[in-house]
Amino acid sequence: EVQLVESGGGLVQPGGSLRLSCAASGFTFSSNWVTWVRQTPGKGLEWVANIKQDGSDKYYVDSVKGRFTISRDNAKNSLYLQMNSLRPEDTAVYYCARDAFHNGIDYWGQGTLVTVSS
Amino acid sequence: DIVMTQTPLSLSVTPGQPASISCKSSQSLLHSDGKTYLYWYLQKSGQSPQLLIYDVSSRFSGVPDRFSGSGSGTDFTLKISRVEAEDVGVYYCMQGTHFRTFGQGTKVEIK
Repeated sequence: EVQLVESGGGLVQPGGSLRLSCAASGFTFSSNWVTWVRQTPGKGLEWVANIKQDGSDKYYVDSVKGRFTISRDNAKNSLYLQMNSLRPEDTAVYYCARDAFHNGIDYWGQGTLVTVSS
Repeated sequence: DIVMTQTPLSLSVTPGQPASISCKSSQSLLHSDGKTYLYWYLQKSGQSPQLLIYDVSSRFSGVPDRFSGSGSGTDFTLKISRVEAEDVGVYYCMQGTHFRTFGQGTKVEIK
């Protein structure tokens, strides 16, 4: 069974940093792209970033470029999202997901809530 | 950026009746490889989104055949042939031709 479990969310002040983690199991992590998607009540679902199997290619939505960094550790079956210079509009539930690339984002975690507020 | 627009934003359906959701993209989703990357998701209350349809019309593993997808270019449709109570939730389209962009969602409820 494919499982993705996010952690690291919480309350952070504007301008602060947070690192999200995602533990994957039930599939060959090193053979798959993985992705972060966030969800806010106001803007709905927004793809944030994804990363290739070996970490050599990474892509980001424009609104987080230069502030967020996606990374992975295939030895630990783990995905990360380092979020710096956080803004109130980054407040969202962040989902980790397996990205089957042209076959879509096919398995999702349960999400972790990030709240950016003073 | 490709903008995805869904209509309607909400839908109330009698069990056993059909339902249809439209998704339009701001530019063609035909990829340079000749394929079209359009997906449909259902998010039930309190759950993560689940993949229903990939590549416009292919049903994901375990998805009932009452769900079908169609379309090309910029216009796409998700159809539920006979709505059941378990189909309640918010449906999203997503394009995968140029990165990923989601539609704003269509809330489906039972009458």
